[in-house]
Amino acid sequence: GQQLNQSPQSMFIQEGEDVSMNCTSSSIFNTWLWYKQDPGEGPVLLIALYKAGELTSNGRLTAQFGITRKDSFLNISASIPSDVGIYFCAGLDNYGQNFVFGPGTRLSVLP
Amino acid sequence: EAGVTQSPTHLIKTRGQQATLRCSPISGHTSVYWYQQALGLGLQFLLWYDEGEERNRGNFPPRFSGRQFPNYSSELNVNALELEDSALYLCASSFSGGANEQYFGPGTRLTVT
Repeated sequence: GQQLNQSPQSMFIQEGEDVSMNCTSSSIFNTWLWYKQDPGEGPVLLIALYKAGELTSNGRLTAQFGITRKDSFLNISASIPSDVGIYFCAGLDNYGQNFVFGPGTRLSVLP
Repeated sequence: EAGVTQSPTHLIKTRGQQATLRCSPISGHTSVYWYQQALGLGLQFLLWYDEGEERNRGNFPPRFSGRQFPNYSSELNVNALELEDSALYLCASSFSGGANEQYFGPGTRLTVT
């Protein structure tokens, strides 16, 4: 089946730094979703992308739907301690029936 | 507007027992999805219900089953529990159809001893 890869797997950054992470696949996906999960809680939807090339912002977060439809990127500017968590991407499969989730990028922010 | 709710928050069972987990979707949502998240791992798709019908199923054994009620709430049943079933079980809901944004509940932490 279709699979997603996320990189990096984990990252440690200093407070105030910008962060960049991506989600890639060998398959084409329609619609990309980015979620953040705090420990022991459910993922929270951050950004949804619907068209190839689309660039969408939500506060300090910016995400892009790759032009090849095989990847998506999430950037966080001026990181703060509450940005700590696991960031998941999800892509809508070719049949338009299910979202496939990536394994996540674990972000740690050092004060 | 109330979000997706799940109960119980925590559940402790012994091997061989059955577990029942419940989920209430966001008002207006008719699709409910169940995911398993083992400790430190990603989300594994379990089941998708829409309009009372099972629409899709992930790669899990038949002892994982569920149903969706007329009010669109859903129940996940896990029979003959095994130690490796210990995980956070997440429910998500969306408007009808699998292509819509999914919103997650807080999860039920199942521990099998």
